[in-house]
Amino acid sequence: GESVGLHLPTLSVQEGDNSIINCAYSNSASDYFIWYKQESGKGPQFIIDIRSNMDKRQGQRVTVLLNKTVKHLSLQIAATQPGDSAVYFCAERETSYDKVIFGPGTSLSVIP
Amino acid sequence: KAGVTQTPRYLIKTRGQQVTLSCSPISGHRSVSWYQQTPGQGLQFLFEYFSETQRNKGNFPGRFSGRQFSNSRSEMNVSTLELGDSALYLCASKRSERSYEQYFGPGTRLTVT
Repeated sequence: GESVGLHLPTLSVQEGDNSIINCAYSNSASDYFIWYKQESGKGPQFIIDIRSNMDKRQGQRVTVLLNKTVKHLSLQIAATQPGDSAVYFCAERETSYDKVIFGPGTSLSVIP
Repeated sequence: KAGVTQTPRYLIKTRGQQVTLSCSPISGHRSVSWYQQTPGQGLQFLFEYFSETQRNKGNFPGRFSGRQFSNSRSEMNVSTLELGDSALYLCASKRSERSYEQYFGPGTRLTVT
């Protein structure tokens, strides 16, 4: 099956600090990018998305940045809370194939 | 409104058996996708159904199959189970084939012994 990477990076942050989770995507033809949050025992939950004609999008406490030049995506979480502890996945979609390809995920641990 | 539901939540099967998993999408959603999630391979796309037709397929062997019913509910089947099929199987729905946002169910945890 298709996949991106085998290792799960981890990030530990102090409660109240800002978190930055990075993701490198693979396909320059991808036109839509999504960040998902997955808590233990649950399915992935949509956080925020961005289309390729944008370089920044803000939501509630979250900001996604897209750098198409280097094929890099980041998720910034402001004032990180214990409830933000989860695995975060970036995903890309290429229009022509209309399939969503997920990154390996980053485990975020918030220290109270 | 109710989210995506998947049944059963947990399943234990032995090698060589077959299994059928069920997914009910969010009301009004007509596209259903299936994913396999394992610690080693991460989240991998299996297939997508829309209007009872398979629209897209990932790189999985023919032992993995699916279908969608007229009410948009979907099932996936895995025949001749292998130990490596142990995984969390996730279903996601979206309003239409061209919609961007998809919503995931809690998954079915399949263990093959």
